Amino acid sequence: RKEVEQDPGPFNVPEGATVAFNCTYSNSASQSFFWYRQDCRKEPKLLMSVYSSGNEDGRFTAQLNRASQYISLLIRDSKLSDSATYLCVVNTSPIQYGNKLVFGAGTILRVKS
Amino acid sequence: DAGITQSPRHKVTETGTPVTLRCHQTENHRYMYWYRQDPGHGLRLIHYSYGVKDTDKGEVSDGYSVSRSKTEDFLLTLESATSSQTSVYFCAISESRTGRNTIYFGEGSWLTVV
Repeated sequence: RKEVEQDPGPFNVPEGATVAFNCTYSNSASQSFFWYRQDCRKEPKLLMSVYSSGNEDGRFTAQLNRASQYISLLIRDSKLSDSATYLCVVNTSPIQYGNKLVFGAGTILRVKS
Repeated sequence: DAGITQSPRHKVTETGTPVTLRCHQTENHRYMYWYRQDPGHGLRLIHYSYGVKDTDKGEVSDGYSVSRSKTEDFLLTLESATSSQTSVYFCAISESRTGRNTIYFGEGSWLTVV
């Protein structure tokens, strides 16, 4: 079983739609959680951190459920520019030891006009 | 931009030849990482460094070695390249001292072993 699992998609949605991705992780001692975005043939870039109480950044909302060990990302009012691969990332290391990031394989989102 | 430069960006090499990828940062960050990315696997950690001359293995370290003689440079070496090492290699940096452990990636190095 992979440490971080995501539905690979692709999710094909029309502009303006709301779309949600889930991600599950296996290490209950995981310290911190993130969503990264990766465009085709580009490097991953941090989209947002995921906090225990849930957090929002504009059209993006992230949720964490430690009891069930899953993370979610909700995108409202999808734009064409949201088309990308979304990577679920879990840090299994205490901060003082640097990052031991474990990446999901990614979920592909395609927003169509 | 995160101040990370990878070189070369693209390379084709023959099986059995040595290859070195270079990662250079201008941020003076303590932690540096090498990842590889393959379809269906996501990014997997090869090696990482937590200071000059301080390195450790990651998940997929077999066939790779690293060196960090200066804060700004982290080298990844494939001693004898194999076709299974055809991949995209990403260098990354982070600074956890402040408790903000955001990690930033370089633009990637595309390596093809024929």
